[in-house]
Amino acid sequence: KQEVTQIPAALSVPEGENLVLNCSFTDSAIYNLQWFRQDPGKGLTSLLLIQSSQREQTSGRLNASLDKSSGRSTLYIAASQPGDSATYLCAVPAGYNNNDMRFGAGTRLTVKP
Amino acid sequence: DTGVSQDPRHKITKRGQNVTFRCDPISEHNRLYWYRQTLGQGPEFLTYFQNEAQLEKSRLLSDRFSAERPKGSFSTLEIQRTEQGDSAMYLCASSLVGASSYNSPLHFGNGTRLTVT
Repeated sequence: KQEVTQIPAALSVPEGENLVLNCSFTDSAIYNLQWFRQDPGKGLTSLLLIQSSQREQTSGRLNASLDKSSGRSTLYIAASQPGDSATYLCAVPAGYNNNDMRFGAGTRLTVKP
Repeated sequence: DTGVSQDPRHKITKRGQNVTFRCDPISEHNRLYWYRQTLGQGPEFLTYFQNEAQLEKSRLLSDRFSAERPKGSFSTLEIQRTEQGDSAMYLCASSLVGASSYNSPLHFGNGTRLTVT
């Protein structure tokens, strides 16, 4: 059974810091991994999708890496801003060719001005 | 691209009542998913459709829950005889999946928050 863990559960940093969020999963037979952002009371916004054949994806100040063999992904946020404050979630398929996406509980990020 | 829309945004109901939620996916997307999210947790998969066919259902989807996507466009999720444990955010997502776009990202709506009193 695919289980997804995100560490830390919460993180508070001053504005301008670079930071890393971690995601680990138990079943490495995945075809992609997706990172999302969720603002309070809202739905999820897709940030980055990494295919199983890729090792990383970049979008602006965000960089996500994937190491399938070790069951880990990281989301790197450069030069953090107060507007980055949100909960960040990672999701992977429950198994290969499985459309049930399993989510971690998320990391709640606060960036202080 | 108008995004995924869900209606209503909030629903308060008394235990035992039936409720129905609607989801309108991104128009060209052929896959539609329903998830449930409780406070402090990630979304939990409930069911998904490929066009109008319901292809998977989680064991979380009890007999009181039913979902439809009659014409392969919008979808409805109905909960019969609601219980307090049904209180959660119900999220809809859609994606485009085909031979060359199998790894398509999920796009979520803003959800319907259900409170059962």
